Amino acid sequence: ETGVTQSPTHLIKTRGQQVTLRCSSQSGHNTVSWYQQALGQGPQFIFQYYREEENGRGNFPPRFSGLQFPNYSSELNVNALELDDSALYLCASRDWAGGAGYNSPLHFGNGTRLTVT
Amino acid sequence: GQQLNQSPQSMFIQEGEDVSMNCTSSSIFNTWLWYKQDPGEGPVLLIALYKAGELTSNGRLTAQFGITRKDSFLNISASIPSDVGIYFCAGRRVLGSGSRLTFGEGTQLTVNP
Repeated sequence: ETGVTQSPTHLIKTRGQQVTLRCSSQSGHNTVSWYQQALGQGPQFIFQYYREEENGRGNFPPRFSGLQFPNYSSELNVNALELDDSALYLCASRDWAGGAGYNSPLHFGNGTRLTVT
Repeated sequence: GQQLNQSPQSMFIQEGEDVSMNCTSSSIFNTWLWYKQDPGEGPVLLIALYKAGELTSNGRLTAQFGITRKDSFLNISASIPSDVGIYFCAGRRVLGSGSRLTFGEGTQLTVNP
């Protein structure tokens, strides 16, 4: 168990709706990343937050947005849901601190399975 | 988005056999990582490689960071039924004060008892 918890585990939404997914990072981890994993594919990087600011973004439109809170918990918000947004959304945290930061490993949660109908 | 080329896509083997899978890229990565994902769970880190040419073992698992920094392989020796799952390679570059992972498409491993 990595200590990264995500909620909810499953969610069904209708096209056009908005959704908020939540992540509680492992204690002491100050960097959180979000990934989208479509069925049968590897995870795709959405964005990363460090010290409550977005710090790196993948090839995802602006309707994907996020927040990181002072306690290092995080949210992923998706507006105007599309059918292709159906996927497993993974949160990952790491401790970016000093010289160990580049090599600190990512710890993934078990994800939120989002289905858009 | 950019993907790593991971092969094979799937493998069906007998318990006790050795397994080898690899990952290639047209770009250089500073770190190579291998993850395993079981159904309903997130990826779990198996091995991390930080230097070109590095060979690292974790129990029955051995992985190498290619000299060109564009490839990596993972070997599993004497497979057992609990090795079943999807194995992903991932490459990491450094991006500002953080980093992001680029994943391969995965290798589905089935082990027959």
